[in-house]
Amino acid sequence: EVQLLESGGGLVQPGGSLRLSCAASGFTFSNYAMSWVRQAPGKGLEWVSTFSSDGYTTFDADSVKGRSIISRDNSKMAVYLQMNSVRGEDTAVYFCARNWEEFDPWGQGTLVTVSS
Amino acid sequence: EIVLTQSPATLSLSPGERATLSCRASQSVNRYLAWYQQKPGQAPRLLIYDASNRATGIPARFSGSGSGRDFTLTISSLEPEDFAVYYCQQRFNWPTFGQGTRLEIK
Repeated sequence: EVQLLESGGGLVQPGGSLRLSCAASGFTFSNYAMSWVRQAPGKGLEWVSTFSSDGYTTFDADSVKGRSIISRDNSKMAVYLQMNSVRGEDTAVYFCARNWEEFDPWGQGTLVTVSS
Repeated sequence: EIVLTQSPATLSLSPGERATLSCRASQSVNRYLAWYQQKPGQAPRLLIYDASNRATGIPARFSGSGSGRDFTLTISSLEPEDFAVYYCQQRFNWPTFGQGTRLEIK
């Protein structure tokens, strides 16, 4: 069974940094792109970042470009999202998802709250 | 950025009825459109990809159609577990999502 499990959410002060992790299991991790998608409270879905399966190409949404770094460790079957200079509008549930043509499946999400 | 506009915002129907949800793109996305279902407190679940292909394990009552700018998700006969929020997503360009349609019990 394919599973994705996010961790690392919590309360972060404006201007601070966060690092989210996503542990994958049940599939050949290195064969797939991995993505982060977020959802602000009561709002819709927003694609954030993707790390391709080629091992070196990344893509970021304009809303986080220059502030975020997506990385992956195929040996640990994990993908990470580091976000710096966080703002109130970064408050959201952050989901890890496999692929980015279609996002399937998704993890259960981890909540990040940016507040002083 | 390709903007996806979903309609209606809220759809009120009864179990057993047919649901028709729409998604319109600001420019053609060919057939590169997916549909997701999200229930409260849960992650989204992929239903349809490439406009009309059902994802693994998705019941046959869910179907997708369309190409270019206009797409439709149809649920042929609503089951109680189908009441949720539905999102469309395009992959023609950087991924974007529609704002969602809430399907509620009438």
